Amino acid sequence: ETGVTQTPRHLVMGMTNKKSLKCEQHLGHNAMYWYKQSAKKPLELMFVYNFKEQTENNSVPSRFSPECPNSSHLFLHLHTLQPEDSALYLCASSQDQRGTDTQYFGPGTRLTVL
Amino acid sequence: EDKVVQSPLSLVVHEGDTVTLNCSYEVTNFRSLLWYKQEKKAPTFLFMLTSSGIEKKSGRLSSILDKKELFSILNITATQTGDSAVYLCAVEPPFGNEKLTFGTGTRLTIIP
Repeated sequence: ETGVTQTPRHLVMGMTNKKSLKCEQHLGHNAMYWYKQSAKKPLELMFVYNFKEQTENNSVPSRFSPECPNSSHLFLHLHTLQPEDSALYLCASSQDQRGTDTQYFGPGTRLTVL
Repeated sequence: EDKVVQSPLSLVVHEGDTVTLNCSYEVTNFRSLLWYKQEKKAPTFLFMLTSSGIEKKSGRLSSILDKKELFSILNITATQTGDSAVYLCAVEPPFGNEKLTFGTGTRLTIIP
């Protein structure tokens, strides 16, 4: 499989649940990103990883916990979420964390928090 | 499947030049068309276009949407080296239930 894949595509969870989102890229890239896309809002950057090291945490609440075990995989662990966390969560990757490297986006995970 | 195509893929111009970036789409229905500047780590929001024929401006940048011909353009006048970036066009679905459909991006390089 090529490109950036995300699983699951849809997730419904209660506020007390713990779940994880998975992202995998098959492009040989070194940088990976988590974004949140809410209705009526532009993309919000959450986390950036470069060579498995987190380089940016954009003031994200601790109920979101990222993990990057290697350059190809990125996880977003979720616990005690709030209904306002319902959104589309997009993963992206780029060759490196440079300004001119195009980011390739996955299909997203549609998260609904009840 | 929705499709967004940007052209050119890459563009190199001298500082002070004016550039026009193109975005065409094959989308059956959408709520808005978005332009982003991807400069460092993440795309920075530039414009949201929902109505055809109405130009949006922000400093040296402007953009317009043509729903009849299914395209949008992004103009940058008096370019500066800080404008060097990848410019992304994306289409937002009508109900917010699906992801944005991004174009391939235009890599713009401004030579001093």
